[in-house]
Amino acid sequence: SQTIHQWPATLVQPVGSPLSLECTVEGTSNPNLYWYRQAAGRGLQLLFYSVGIGQISSEVPQNLSASRPQDRQFILSSKKLLLSDSGFYLCAWSKRRVLNYGYTFGSGTRLTVV
Amino acid sequence: DQQVKQNSPSLSVQEGRISILNCDYTNSMFDYFLWYKKYPAEGPTFLISISSIKDKNEDGRFTVFLNKSAKHLSLHIVPSQPGDSAVYFCAAPVPDSWGKLQFGAGTQVVVTP
Repeated sequence: SQTIHQWPATLVQPVGSPLSLECTVEGTSNPNLYWYRQAAGRGLQLLFYSVGIGQISSEVPQNLSASRPQDRQFILSSKKLLLSDSGFYLCAWSKRRVLNYGYTFGSGTRLTVV
Repeated sequence: DQQVKQNSPSLSVQEGRISILNCDYTNSMFDYFLWYKKYPAEGPTFLISISSIKDKNEDGRFTVFLNKSAKHLSLHIVPSQPGDSAVYFCAAPVPDSWGKLQFGAGTQVVVTP
């Protein structure tokens, strides 16, 4: 069966510090991978998606970047965190043909920038 | 462009009563819809879905109704239980996309004793 792992679960970082969140998927190959953010009291905002190794698309301009060094590994990074980067970050994967299957989400990372 | 809309940010319902969550969409090309449930500090989990060829899909206490002419769907939870307290997201796959799901803003459901 397929599983998705996301870590760390919580993170408190000072403003200006770097960030690296990692997500890995097991039990499938060639997945679509996604990074979402849920700001406090708000909906799900798609940050990045990837349909293959090294292929990253950004949905919104921001202080963050993403990389996919391996087929089932997706990394969210920042060189210098801002206060506005605080939020709940979710990794997700889907089959290539997402229609009718939807996404499977990781357990999320609560990031607090202080 | 918010193509999937959940206009009620919150809903409070008594335990045992019916919860009705609404979702509207603007893209007439959407042909499949999903509902996700999310607890605090956890990722959303798939709850129930419906294809546009149907107008109703039922799974236990959860039923989703689709009205294509009105571009409206609703999720009914009967009877509501305390464990149903969560945020519920409506979503639709964007046709001919790379796999993009368009999510609504979510509705926070609180089930009171």
